[in-house]
Amino acid sequence: QVQLQESGPGLVKPSETLSLTCTVSGGSISSYYWSWIRQPPGKGLEWIGCIYYSGSTNYNPSLKSRVTISVDTSKDQFSLRLNSVTAADTAVYYCARSFVGHWYFDLWGRGTLVTVSS
Amino acid sequence: QSALTQPASVSGSPGQSITISCTGTSSDVGSYNLVSWYQQHPGKAPKLMIYEGSKRPSGVSNRFSGSKSGNTASLTISGLQAEDEADYYCCSYAGSYVFGTGTKVTVL
Repeated sequence: QVQLQESGPGLVKPSETLSLTCTVSGGSISSYYWSWIRQPPGKGLEWIGCIYYSGSTNYNPSLKSRVTISVDTSKDQFSLRLNSVTAADTAVYYCARSFVGHWYFDLWGRGTLVTVSS
Repeated sequence: QSALTQPASVSGSPGQSITISCTGTSSDVGSYNLVSWYQQHPGKAPKLMIYEGSKRPSGVSNRFSGSKSGNTASLTISGLQAEDEADYYCCSYAGSYVFGTGTKVTVL
């Protein structure tokens, strides 16, 4: 079955850029929306943004100035870049899938913890 | 866009029914029937339990049900079981996604 796997550095320095990749295995990245969602330790979920396989994006207004999401259909991967990070960006980052025309997340990755610290 | 409001905690005894509320505004929860609910056990990824207000994905127990009235959505768990102890989050879409504050369900 289709699985999602997040990957990237677990430690990022303040003011630098956080970069993560989500790999879609067991299926194609085409014809779905793909999101990044994060969860600070002990806190709730926050949607970061999403990308359609064609490349169109939609971002959380509160993070829009710092976020870029991109897609590589040849590798069935999509990526997150969050710049100028601070300790407040420390969180477990999840990638997730949505069907076109349906506004919910039916499939999630296991998540990866990213800590922002010098 | 502010987080949707959920009670911090709800508890019940095995076999009982509990209801978790999720209050938003006329711009999100009240606008469309696009509320979804997620269950999250400690250290695990969230799992979709209800979508489009009241629909259950394949494999989710029919003990879970969703509804909406005005700007408030609700998740009801009937026949509460020990395995239902987890955090629950609602989520609404209105141009962008907004999650609820989360509710910890405790089975007494």
